Amino acid sequence: QKEVEQNSGPLSVPEGAIASLNCTYSDRGSQSFFWYRQYSGKSPELIMSIYSNGDKEDGRFTAQLNKASQYVSLLIRDSQPSDSATYLCAVNTGTASKLTFGTGTRLQVTL
Amino acid sequence: SAVISQKPSRDICQRGTSLTIQCQVDSQVTMMFWYRQQPGQSLTLIATANQGSEATYESGFVIDKFPISRPNLTFSTLTVSNMSPEDSSIYLCSAGGAAAYEQYFGPGTRLTVT
Repeated sequence: QKEVEQNSGPLSVPEGAIASLNCTYSDRGSQSFFWYRQYSGKSPELIMSIYSNGDKEDGRFTAQLNKASQYVSLLIRDSQPSDSATYLCAVNTGTASKLTFGTGTRLQVTL
Repeated sequence: SAVISQKPSRDICQRGTSLTIQCQVDSQVTMMFWYRQQPGQSLTLIATANQGSEATYESGFVIDKFPISRPNLTFSTLTVSNMSPEDSSIYLCSAGGAAAYEQYFGPGTRLTVT
């Protein structure tokens, strides 16, 4: 069983719609959760972090965490073509400082 | 957030040779990390590098193949030794941020081994 799972996509949404990206993790002791955006040919860019249950909003982005169900999601409101990228979910799965990354979901925002 | 630079940005190397990748951070950080990303794949952690101690390697990665140095709190190097075509990949360094467990990435080094 993979430690961090994401649907590889592509997830296609029309411009202006809400994109919903999901991630599940296996380690119940995980405490820190991150979303990275990676454009083709570029390195990952940290866009959201969340540490407690509930929602965290930053501009058009909302991260949602449910530790009981072991999932974390990222909502992108008013999706723009510039949001087209691969979104990586990362989880700190232990006492060490390292992160475990999911395989990423490719998002396509269509005109 | 930390600003991270890597050198070289890309290189083409012959099999059997070694390449050292440099990673520079604009501020002092405790933790630095080295990852590999194969085309179309996610990130795989190679090792964690703390200043003043030996790097901690993940399963499947060994010091003889990927020696790491961490001479101070702003700099680290990763050497890919005795390269084979299977080592062709993007190598990324990252540094820990101010918040718990967050990491910021350098631009990566694209390595091709012929």
